[in-house]
Amino acid sequence: GQQVQQSPASLVLQEGENAELQCNFSTSLNSMQWFYQRPEGSLVSLFYNPSGTKQSGRLTSTTVIKERRSSLHISSSQITDSGTYLCAMGRMDSNYQLIWGSGTKLIIKP
Amino acid sequence: EAAVTQSPRSKVAVTGGKVTLSCHQTNNHDYMYWYRQDTGHGLRLIHYSYVADSTEKGDIPDGYKASRPSQENFSLILELASLSQTAVYFCASSDWGAVAETLYFGSGTRLTVL
Repeated sequence: GQQVQQSPASLVLQEGENAELQCNFSTSLNSMQWFYQRPEGSLVSLFYNPSGTKQSGRLTSTTVIKERRSSLHISSSQITDSGTYLCAMGRMDSNYQLIWGSGTKLIIKP
Repeated sequence: EAAVTQSPRSKVAVTGGKVTLSCHQTNNHDYMYWYRQDTGHGLRLIHYSYVADSTEKGDIPDGYKASRPSQENFSLILELASLSQTAVYFCASSDWGAVAETLYFGSGTRLTVL
């Protein structure tokens, strides 16, 4: 079936270092989104990025459809960036259903 | 600011009991969703709705019912709660289908079935 693989599963960095998170998908996608899950559990949308590159502050998302991958780059990481980052791929046969990765848990140390 | 409110924030239920999780949105969105998240995993879609008085099955609907009495409200019902339904449940809304539109999430409900 359609799958989304995220890597690494966890990442520990020193404050100020850059983070690179990957999302690979096994089949053609309709769209790609990135979400941030705070340590206390709430979820916020970061990017809707079906192709190309989008930037928001220190965060950059790049999706390359033909290579079936999407990445999230966090520059100059801060302690408040700690949490779990989830990617979700839109199914080709649905307007409503997303296939989710298992997430990358990011820990930023002072 | 878009707002999705879930209640309760947490609940302990007994096996075989009935559980109702509620979701209210003030975004004026047509689309609403119920997801469950198990520890260390991504989200899985249980039910969704794109219009009041109508619900659709997601990827894991067994053991769950949904109700959308109005555009603003969407409930998830566990008629006979089971141990395997212990999880965190998220409600979300979007202006269009989730594939093409930003999702706005509630804070989640942590359900423990004993």
